[in-house]
Amino acid sequence: GAVVSQHPSRVICKSGTSVKIECRSLDFQATTMFWYRQFPKQSLMLMATSNEGSKATYEQGVEKDKFLINHASLTLSTLTVTSAHPEDSSFYICSARLARINEQFFGPGTRLTVL
Amino acid sequence: SQQGEEDPQALSIQEGENATMNCSYKTSINNLQWYRQNSGRGLVHLILIRSNEREKHSGRLRVTLDTSKKSSSLLITASRAADTASYFCATDATGTASKLTFGTGTRLQVTL
Repeated sequence: GAVVSQHPSRVICKSGTSVKIECRSLDFQATTMFWYRQFPKQSLMLMATSNEGSKATYEQGVEKDKFLINHASLTLSTLTVTSAHPEDSSFYICSARLARINEQFFGPGTRLTVL
Repeated sequence: SQQGEEDPQALSIQEGENATMNCSYKTSINNLQWYRQNSGRGLVHLILIRSNEREKHSGRLRVTLDTSKKSSSLLITASRAADTASYFCATDATGTASKLTFGTGTRLQVTL
């Protein structure tokens, strides 16, 4: 089956620093990847759609300058949380769309804790 | 918010019993999917049902879809302790370029 990885799985950082999270499709190419955020005991909320070779499309209320997305290759998208603050602490999950079957495959998630 | 609603929010049953979770959504859809998430982990895809389908089975899972009522249900038969997890429905709305909108989730606890 299609496998998506995320790195790192956990990160703890100080307030004001920037954190980069990688999302990779390991055995397929993905022109479209998605980034979600999940707060404790809540559902997943879509943050942005990452398109290979073009700018990401952000959902309403998501600051594009704070959450930088780069999709430079067909197997890698990165999410950088800039100047992180404690309220950015969350579980960040990516997915990659396998166009052939129009299905998304999810990464294992990255837990970000900002002190 | 376009987020779907799921009920119940939490469900506690004994091993061997059936568990039914319901999902309601707001827009026209291409398909509806169900996912499982163990605490603090990623999502596991369970089943996809297309808008022109009414029922689908996969092992101990049975999913129904009623597009006229914009609702779906997930039935887990003969539940096991290992089924303990949160379950989410997600809709792929028409005209949204495959974006998924997740429901609020049901936390299922299966006790021995």
